[in-house]
Amino acid sequence: NAGVTQTPKFQVLKTGQSMTLQCAQDMNHNSMYWYRQDPGMGLRLIYYSASEGTTDKGEVPNGYNVSRLNKREFSLRLESAAPSQTSVYFCASSAHLAGGPNEQFFGPGTRLTVL
Amino acid sequence: DQQVKQNSPSLSVQEGRISILNCDYTNSMFDYFLWYKKYPAEGPTFLISISSIKDKNEDGRFTVFLNKSAKHLSLHIVPSQPGDSAVYFCAASVRSSNTGKLIFGQGTTLQVKP
Repeated sequence: NAGVTQTPKFQVLKTGQSMTLQCAQDMNHNSMYWYRQDPGMGLRLIYYSASEGTTDKGEVPNGYNVSRLNKREFSLRLESAAPSQTSVYFCASSAHLAGGPNEQFFGPGTRLTVL
Repeated sequence: DQQVKQNSPSLSVQEGRISILNCDYTNSMFDYFLWYKKYPAEGPTFLISISSIKDKNEDGRFTVFLNKSAKHLSLHIVPSQPGDSAVYFCAASVRSSNTGKLIFGQGTTLQVKP
């Protein structure tokens, strides 16, 4: 099992360019999440998908869109990249059911630089 | 409003000694707490968790303590090893929620010196 995979690992964009970060999990998890990690800020939730077919905003959704393509895949899109979106992006998944354990499993991350 | 706070950005301890990492929270609805460990250029990995019905959970060298009245939890690593050097994040959640969302602290960088 690969767990949670993310592509690409690194990306450099110019301001205004668009791109999609891909995430896939092979653990048959219901829920998937996108975070960004910035120095001194911890992990901040951008968007999440509690179950296939649903998506919701997290703490810092502005400038991003997501698609839950199927149960395995959850993509994050930057329509017009800005330097403030320079960060490390992590995708995570969880088997979470209400009242049950909700450990999340993380991918290796995508390091994005916007010039 | 930072609901989960790790007030110490960094901690340095000698190999073999105890490492104590602290975390405070403000939301009394949180009922499940987790610690994650993160090495450079890797994703966070789950370390240990505790439910609010307990005040202690132990797994090998790692013990998490929860003080609900103080809204405080701590992670103890005994004995500390150089391989424990990493960033540690605490996280909190409401288990009855149907979202599974975790709220993370800012992280504490632990350095264990040989």
